[in-house]
Parts: sequence; C-alpha cells; structure tokens
Amino acid sequence: AQTVTQSQPEMSVQEAETVTLSCTYDTSESDYYLFWYKQPPSRQMILVIRQEAYKQQNATENRFSVNFQKAAKSFSLKISDSQLGDAAMYFCAYRRVQGGSEKLVFGKGTKLTVNP
Amino acid sequence: DTAVSQTPKYLVTQMGNDKSIKCEQNLGHDTMYWYKQDSKKFLKIMFSYNNKELIINETVPNRFSPKSPDKAHLNLHINSLELGDSAVYFCASSQVRWDTQYFGPGTRLTVL
Repeated sequence: AQTVTQSQPEMSVQEAETVTLSCTYDTSESDYYLFWYKQPPSRQMILVIRQEAYKQQNATENRFSVNFQKAAKSFSLKISDSQLGDAAMYFCAYRRVQGGSEKLVFGKGTKLTVNP
Repeated sequence: DTAVSQTPKYLVTQMGNDKSIKCEQNLGHDTMYWYKQDSKKFLKIMFSYNNKELIINETVPNRFSPKSPDKAHLNLHINSLELGDSAVYFCASSQVRWDTQYFGPGTRLTVL
C-alpha cells in the first residue's frame, strides 16, 4: 500500500522568507500524481500544486514550487516570499494515475506558522 | 459560485441518532468522494462514486451509507452515531476518476 510521510509536524517562517516542507512517499507504481493541499483555519482544503510523476520538470505556481526527486521518492514544497496568509496546515498527497484506486493518500500534515 | 458545497457546515447530535450530510458539486464532474478528517487532522478516504456507481468503499462501518441520486450529488447517511464518529467530513469531486480532486468546505460533526 502506498504511504505518505511528512516528517515535520510543525514549521515556522518569518514573513518574506522562504520555507521548505518535506514529503516522502512509498510506492511501487511508476506513474502517479503528487499534490500539496493547504488547509487554513477556515478548514477549506485548497489545492496548492500538482505534479505528474512522468514529468521531470518541477511544477511551479507563483510563489509555490516543488522539488520532485522521483528516485528518492521525495516531493518537497518551497514557499518563497512567505505571507501571513500562507499560515495553514499543508498536506502532501499521492494518487495512482488510474487502474482501480483513485483515492488520495494523505500525509499527516505540517502546520506552518508565519511570523510577522 | 460555490464549486463543491456541503450542508450542514456544523452538526451537533446525540449518540445513537441518525444524521445525513449533503454534498453537491456544480462543476459537471463525474466522480465524487467522501473523506474523514479525524481529531489529529488525518484525512482518509471513505467512499468514491463515479457516475452514481460505488467505486471505493474503504473499510467503513455499515452504519455509513453513501447515496448518489445523480452525478452532482453524493450524500452521506450515518446511522446510530457513536462518539468516535466525531470528525470533519469532506466531500470532493473530480472531472474523471484520475483527475485533480476539489474539496468542499467540510462538515464538522460532533457526537455528544
């Protein structure tokens, strides 16, 4: 079974600084998707970024970028120029491409605090 | 416009009661899901429906019964509520089974 591990239960960053959240996963599949979701105190789950495993290029979305290391099964999220609104729980998630199970497998989350 | 909506947002009830949570998506998606987030914030899939057909049933007690009257709706009915059912329940949808999933705002269920 696939598993997702986020080894940092909590992280903090100063406003305008850069922070990296770690995520590793375990799978025997060669093709899959990886996601980062953000959950602010409002509880809403918001998609931050998505990476297809077959793509070598790291995904980026404005201030958010990933470092995808397929061989190492690592998928870290870098937040540049951190803003107060980035404070939230961040969840890393894995999903098979297709073939039976479309469920998202989540890590336990990292709580990010942004200090002014 | 709300893409994935859930009602109610908060639900407080007594042990042993039966309750339902409704989910609707206006994205035209084919696949809908229910996830449970426990008190430690851990999210886990419960059910998945594709075009009203049950695809995933992830070892959930029989007291939980999803119902999909049409492609845009996936409701969750819970019988004989227990203290351990207290959690946040998220509905999600995706255009096809392997596409990105978009989440509703969640329903916080508290069983007293």
